[in-house]
Order: sequence, then C-alpha cells, then structure tokens
Amino acid sequence: GAGVSQSPRYKVAKRGQDVALRCDPISGHVSLFWYQQALGQGPEFLTYFQNEAQLDKSGLPSDRFFAERPEGSVSTLKIQRTQQEDSAVYLCASSPDAFSSGNTIYFGEGSWLTVV
Amino acid sequence: AQRVTQPEKLLSVFKGAPVELKCNYSYSGSPELFWYVQYSRQRLQLLLRHISRESIKGFTADLNKGETSFHLKKPFAQEEDSAMYYCALSGRAGTASKLTFGTGTRLQVTL
Repeated sequence: GAGVSQSPRYKVAKRGQDVALRCDPISGHVSLFWYQQALGQGPEFLTYFQNEAQLDKSGLPSDRFFAERPEGSVSTLKIQRTQQEDSAVYLCASSPDAFSSGNTIYFGEGSWLTVV
Repeated sequence: AQRVTQPEKLLSVFKGAPVELKCNYSYSGSPELFWYVQYSRQRLQLLLRHISRESIKGFTADLNKGETSFHLKKPFAQEEDSAMYYCALSGRAGTASKLTFGTGTRLQVTL
C-alpha cells in the first residue's frame, strides 16, 4: 500500500473488554513501532519489532498490553481488560531498515480508542 | 533518561511574522533531533532532522548542544504552517531508533 495502514480507525470499548488493533506497515519495511498518544500529549513509545522479533517492549504500560508480528509484516496490539486510562490514539510506524537511526519513520493515521 | 520539553502548548502569530517553536532536551549521549508536524486530519510526518541541516518549507532548526536546544524557526509564517509540531529525540531500541516526543506546540497563523 501507499502508507502505513491501521484498523480500526475508531474503537469504543466498554471497560473490561479486550481490544485488538491492527497495523499494516509499508511493504518490505523491517522495523515496526507502536506508540501511544494520550490527549494533549506527545506519542510515547510502546514496543519495537525487527521483522518478527520483538526487540523492545519496555514501553508497554502493563501486562494487559501485548503485541505481536508473527510473520514480520502485519502487527497486532492487543489490550486485555481495558481501563479508562487506556483511552488514547495508538500509532503504528514503520521504517525500511533494521538500523533506523536517521532513517525516516513513517506513521499511520492511528487507532483512536475510547474506553467507557 | 531522555526527555524533550516544549514549553508552549499554543503559539499564535500573524501571517508574515517570524516563528520560533522552542524545544529543549536532555540526553546522556550524542542525540539525534527531529521535528515532526501534524496538519489537520493528516498523519504525523517528518519535517526535518538535525543531521540533514536542511530547510524544509522555509523552516530550519539548529542543534545547540551547549543549551541543549533544537528550536524550530521560520522567518515569515504562512497560513498553511498552522499545525501541531512535535520535537523528538532519537535513542536506541535494540538496533533501531525509538523516538521520545515532546508534548507538542500548536502553531496558529492568523491573518
């Protein structure tokens, strides 16, 4: 595709419900990142994949958050037993190389999650 | 720990006036700094990075290691510059760079 694609674009979940957010990176991109952006804040790093390997998950806020990229392409961010503080925009980004320092990182439009 | 500070949530300027969006950072190492922009209803996109020392859409930013700053400047603001601007610092995540963002500054250019 032309860019990073995320779905759903908007999700309203009841507190306690599980949600899954999907990211289709740019074809052939090795690196994939997930960020969380709360209202009025900048994006905050959640996790990073190089191909199918999750090399850094230091930003995941709790064990309710889980991410995978089993075939090194599409990635899913899963949030179990959602809480109100999980309400945010979840941004996916991809980059062409493993060593991305200085390379452009391309962002998706985000998945807007509201927990009620 | 790495941190990026953007002290202004909103900056309102008149068309044709100079613009300076402030960014300060803390990082124990040699940083890579970026400015990202998000126009209304569009995705976050890279505006410029310090290693390129380039001017994009009339914007420039100089890394000042002594003052740990990376302010974004433009001599004459245009209406189409109205957007959300984020300063970001690159640190390593494994072998790739993860970005630490500031809280953003909304630039509003009025006639």
